[in-house]
Amino acid sequence: GNSVTQMEGPVTLSEEAFLTINCTYTATGYPSLFWYVQYPGEGLQLLLKATKADDKGSNKGFEATYRKETTSFHLEKGSVQVSDSAVYFCALSDNTNAGKSTFGDGTTLTVKP
Amino acid sequence: NAGVTQTPKFQVLKTGQSMTLQCAQDMNHNSMYWYRQDPGMGLRLIYYSASEGTTDKGEVPNGYNVSRLNKREFSLRLESAAPSQTSVYFCASSEKLAGGPETQYFGPGTRLLVL
Repeated sequence: GNSVTQMEGPVTLSEEAFLTINCTYTATGYPSLFWYVQYPGEGLQLLLKATKADDKGSNKGFEATYRKETTSFHLEKGSVQVSDSAVYFCALSDNTNAGKSTFGDGTTLTVKP
Repeated sequence: NAGVTQTPKFQVLKTGQSMTLQCAQDMNHNSMYWYRQDPGMGLRLIYYSASEGTTDKGEVPNGYNVSRLNKREFSLRLESAAPSQTSVYFCASSEKLAGGPETQYFGPGTRLLVL
């Protein structure tokens, strides 16, 4: 079956530091890949997505590149802010099964001023 | 456009009590989902509905039932609550635009405590 593995957290960074959150996946076929973000007390919301190999998703300064050869979709940001403190979820959709997505366990990011 | 709404926001139950969590979406999406979120375990799919009139079990369906009342509404029922069902419950809906991936939209969650 499909699975998503994220780097374990929590991650604590100082403001303006570089962020990487690793994500690798196992799936049949050609899945779409996503990063969702969950701010405290809220539901998840889409951060960025990519649909095929070598696609780069980007939003709010975050980027992730779909790497089929390493089955990875690592999230990066060059300079984090306190407002980026949240839980980040990597996910995939295999585009076949009623739109079901498989989520990683989430990585908690705390950015300190 | 409210997106995905859930009621109630917070609920305390005693073991053995029943309740229904309500979810509605106004985006005309076909697919809807119920997840539970527990510390260190990410999101686990309870049930989903690919279209009005259909429902299917997800990863952790035991102890729950669902109803897809119409295209907008998808409810989750706990018939006899247990402390193991203490969790945060999220409803989601999804759409697949032409040529694009299926993207999920989440409600704000219901925090349930079973004593």
